[in-house]
Amino acid sequence: QSALTQPASVSGSPGQSITISCTGTSSDVGGYNYVSWYQQHPGKAPKLMIYDVSNRPSGVPDRFSGSKSGNTASLTISGLQAEDEADYYCSSYTSSSTLWVFGGGTKLTVL
Amino acid sequence: EVQLVQSGAEVKKPGESLKISCKGSGYSFTSYWIGWVRQMPGKGLEWMGIIYPGDSDTRYSPSFQGQVTISADKSISTAYLQWSSLKASDTAMYYCARQGSYYEFDYWGQGTLVTVSS
Repeated sequence: QSALTQPASVSGSPGQSITISCTGTSSDVGGYNYVSWYQQHPGKAPKLMIYDVSNRPSGVPDRFSGSKSGNTASLTISGLQAEDEADYYCSSYTSSSTLWVFGGGTKLTVL
Repeated sequence: EVQLVQSGAEVKKPGESLKISCKGSGYSFTSYWIGWVRQMPGKGLEWMGIIYPGDSDTRYSPSFQGQVTISADKSISTAYLQWSSLKASDTAMYYCARQGSYYEFDYWGQGTLVTVSS
């Protein structure tokens, strides 16, 4: 069981918006702004999409945005495109001895 | 350009030892933490541990403490993950990743597939 809880799957049609949630505790998501999101296509390494809750690395489209409220972080993808179909993982720094925790991952299907 | 290049796939038998590598380039290797992440077949990401090559300060996830050893050789900008006695349950893809300024993993290696089978 992962430390952070994500929905197993979400889906949307091209052009639509979707949101993936990531629920933790006050020891991780709620306690720090060190939440990041990763995209992983099949057979590929994860790619950083969002860091520090809502910041995008250079080169990541502005269709990707992040936010946080309490112990839940969210990744929103607007204007869905076929190439967005992938697995998405959230991660957070934690005050526990684990130091970093990941969510279980969410499979995004673009219909 | 920042790059992390990992060693190739390995096939081992239970009980054998193994050391895989992750070579950094395009940045100051001694100034950033390098983490290791496990992904078992069809499963999610698990953080294993992290090392600061500048002084070899190392932290482990409790789940992996005592099961693996993380090290680094700053003279050749390379981090390592090693096992002394592999088990079938160690079969997985292993990624190294650089930790950025906000506790994110901003650059990832291509992964090393480790298969342990008798």
